[in-house]
Amino acid sequence: DQQVKQNSPSLSVQEGRISILNCDYTNSMFDYFLWYKKYPAEGPTFLISISSIKDKNEDGRFTVFLNKSAKHLSLHIVPSQPGDSAVYFCAASASNFGNEKLTFGTGTRLTIIP
Amino acid sequence: EPEVTQTPSHQVTQMGQEVILRCVPISNHLYFYWYRQILGQKVEFLVSFYNNEISEKSEIFDDQFSVERPDGSNFTLKIRSTKLEDSAMYFCASSGTGSGETQYFGPGTRLLVL
Repeated sequence: DQQVKQNSPSLSVQEGRISILNCDYTNSMFDYFLWYKKYPAEGPTFLISISSIKDKNEDGRFTVFLNKSAKHLSLHIVPSQPGDSAVYFCAASASNFGNEKLTFGTGTRLTIIP
Repeated sequence: EPEVTQTPSHQVTQMGQEVILRCVPISNHLYFYWYRQILGQKVEFLVSFYNNEISEKSEIFDDQFSVERPDGSNFTLKIRSTKLEDSAMYFCASSGTGSGETQYFGPGTRLLVL
């Protein structure tokens, strides 16, 4: 039951360029979306989130775009830095009140090439 | 910066044994969660906990699992009789009470059942 899908298992980007990670979802009840970054042997680290009432949220080098009609969101990292190399998970919940379970995608391994 | 902590970082146990995984959520958070990630798979929701009771649980969270908040700081996950397929990384998370509150994750406990 893949309600949240990240179709690219891996992505390599040159340092300084833009990294674009994509995520699709199928559950129309999802109204809050998050991106987490994960290093090996560590827990997911929150990066950025977006509510369904918005189509864009920006925080420094990170921007998340949401296209509700297409049930698609993307994370843009610009400029990409070597420390951005990690696995990135898209997650979604059916509430933005912080007390609903998160449904995760399978992750995209981002490698930044110096 | 406040963070979620988990102990132990690694746990090896024999099949059929009981294990208790411990978590200290962020101090002013009210919602607590357990997730797990089997090697090579996505992060999966197990259970959420609020006001000293389970809010929601997944089908994974069967009668072998239980959660408890024994005091004002700890949040525990107990597996009564471990099975080989319980081997995974177990992540604790917590979130606050306001609108749009994000779930913050601990570093995880790697459980290996032999």
